[in-house]
Amino acid sequence: KNEVEQSPQNLTAQEGEFITINCSYSVGISALHWLQQHPGGGIVSLFMLSSGKKKHGRLIATINIQEKHSSLHITASHPRDSAVYICAVSGNQFYFGTGTSLTVIP
Amino acid sequence: DAGITQSPRYKITETGRQVTLMCHQTWSHSYMFWYRQDLGHGLRLIYYSAAADITDKGEVPDGYVVSRSKTENFPLTLESATRSQTSVYFCASTPANGNQPQHFGDGTRLSIL
Repeated sequence: KNEVEQSPQNLTAQEGEFITINCSYSVGISALHWLQQHPGGGIVSLFMLSSGKKKHGRLIATINIQEKHSSLHITASHPRDSAVYICAVSGNQFYFGTGTSLTVIP
Repeated sequence: DAGITQSPRYKITETGRQVTLMCHQTWSHSYMFWYRQDLGHGLRLIYYSAAADITDKGEVPDGYVVSRSKTENFPLTLESATRSQTSVYFCASTPANGNQPQHFGDGTRLSIL
């Protein structure tokens, strides 16, 4: 049983499209994290949120605590957004989803 | 440079050998973590440390040993490497577990032949 489930596992989009990645979790949390990992690269924290919505450039993250669900949106997607996006939750420990592999085609 | 660094970035070794992966952070973060990343599993916690001289097992600790004699260093040792330990290993740190982001190193790609 995975404490964190992401969907879709893989996603291909045309440049300029609006993208949504979903995350559901089953444990109590202090915060939810969205991470980005480029091919062959390290892992970077994009957002940490415990309620509501956060925005950074073209990226928007939302969380619904009651439904134990979060979404990561990318507006006006660009090929440089191609990466694996990982949802993680933290409470007593961190739990990670298996990631969503996003490819944005020019 | 400030940050978290892992070494080596790439390592190839043979089964039965001992290998140590290094992790160094300059922020004086209390918490440090070792994860392995494998296809289909996401990141899995091997060991973590809440402070110098305090370590605890994670989800997949078998075959691994850690130490934390200094706050800034958290080496991971495979005492007798097996092929199933071929993976990408990430070290991370955070000042407070649970309500602060983790900062990740660039990873070590380890292949065991």
